[in-house]
Amino acid sequence: GNSVTQMEGPVTLSEEAFLTINCTYTATGYPSLFWYVQYPGEGLQLLLKATKADDKGSNKGFEATYRKETTSFHLEKGSVQVSDSAVYFCALKGSYIPTFGRGTSLIVHP
Amino acid sequence: GAVVSQHPSWVICKSGTSVKIECRSLDFQATTMFWYRQFPKQSLMLMATSNEGSKATYEQGVEKDKFLINHASLTLSTLTVTSAHPEDSSFYICSAPIAGNATDTQYFGPGTRLTVL
Repeated sequence: GNSVTQMEGPVTLSEEAFLTINCTYTATGYPSLFWYVQYPGEGLQLLLKATKADDKGSNKGFEATYRKETTSFHLEKGSVQVSDSAVYFCALKGSYIPTFGRGTSLIVHP
Repeated sequence: GAVVSQHPSWVICKSGTSVKIECRSLDFQATTMFWYRQFPKQSLMLMATSNEGSKATYEQGVEKDKFLINHASLTLSTLTVTSAHPEDSSFYICSAPIAGNATDTQYFGPGTRLTVL
């Protein structure tokens, strides 16, 4: 079956540091890949997505590239802010049911 | 963008009572909605897939008689936690894709915090 593996958190960074959150997946076919973000006390919201190999999703300074050869979709941001503190979920969706990683908590200190 | 609402946002109930949680797609129709339970340390567990006009599909290990799902219309799905117990206390989240396309983005409700005393 499909699965998503994310790096364990929490990831703790200082403001303006570079962020990478690793995500790898196992899936049959050609799923779409997503990053969702959950701010404290809220539900999940879409951050970015990519629907085919080599696509790059981007939003709010975050980027992730769909790498079929390495089955990865790592999330990056060049300069994080305190307001980026949240939990980030990598996910895939193939034919029907979405599959989520366990989430990675990001804590950004001033 | 598409909006999904949940009601209530939080609820406290006594052990043995039943609690109903509503999930509504406000500006789109959703033939399918997903119900999740979020445990401490952030992990999301898919509980069931709610299908408009037919029975829900439950994930392995989820008691269908305890977590009753009804997809009454193209914009409303409900999750009823029957005879709730303290171990059912959790954060329940629903999501829905807009339509049709198997790779649709999921739009999430804001979640419902259930506390069973």
